[in-house]
Amino acid sequence: QKEVEQDPGPLSVPEGAIVSLNCTYSNSAFQYFMWYRQYSRKGPELLMYTYSSGNKEDGRFTAQVDKSSKYISLFIRDSQPSDSATYLCAMSSNAGGTSYGKLTFGQGTILTVHP
Amino acid sequence: NAGVTQTPKFRILKIGQSMTLQCTQDMNHNYMYWYRQDPGMGLKLIYYSVGAGITDKGEVPNGYNVSRSTTEDFPLRLELAAPSQTSVYFCASGKLAFFGQGTRLTVV
Repeated sequence: QKEVEQDPGPLSVPEGAIVSLNCTYSNSAFQYFMWYRQYSRKGPELLMYTYSSGNKEDGRFTAQVDKSSKYISLFIRDSQPSDSATYLCAMSSNAGGTSYGKLTFGQGTILTVHP
Repeated sequence: NAGVTQTPKFRILKIGQSMTLQCTQDMNHNYMYWYRQDPGMGLKLIYYSVGAGITDKGEVPNGYNVSRSTTEDFPLRLELAAPSQTSVYFCASGKLAFFGQGTRLTVV
């Protein structure tokens, strides 16, 4: 079993839809949860990050972490064609030593928002 | 502010050749990483470093080597290139991983 599981999609939605992207994980030591957006032929860029459980909102984006279920989500409201990209979840533990800060990524979900 | 800079952007290698992928960051980050990304496979950690002089293996280190003599630079060395090393390589720095634009490597 992979430490982080993410549905690769692809996911296709109409403009204006609410998008839900999800990851599950098995390592209970994960404390930091990140979402990255990657446009075609570009490097991933950090979109949002959350420490431990709870919600975080930034404009049209909301990140949720449920540590009891080992489940994280990214919601995109009023989706736009410019949101079309691959979305990667990533996690790291707070175990200390050299493992601190080392990120484990999901496979990425390919999202297309069509006009 | 350049962030994370990777060179070269593209490279074609013949089997058995060697090369070094360069990575430089100007954000004074201690943490630096090398990932490879294969289609549909996400990002796999090759090596990482928590500071100058300290490096450690990631998930897929075989066939690669790294060094970290300064905070800014974290080069990745490929010895005896193999077709299985055809991939896109990303360098990143910082605990939240700020990525470079990648190096597309093809081994033929």
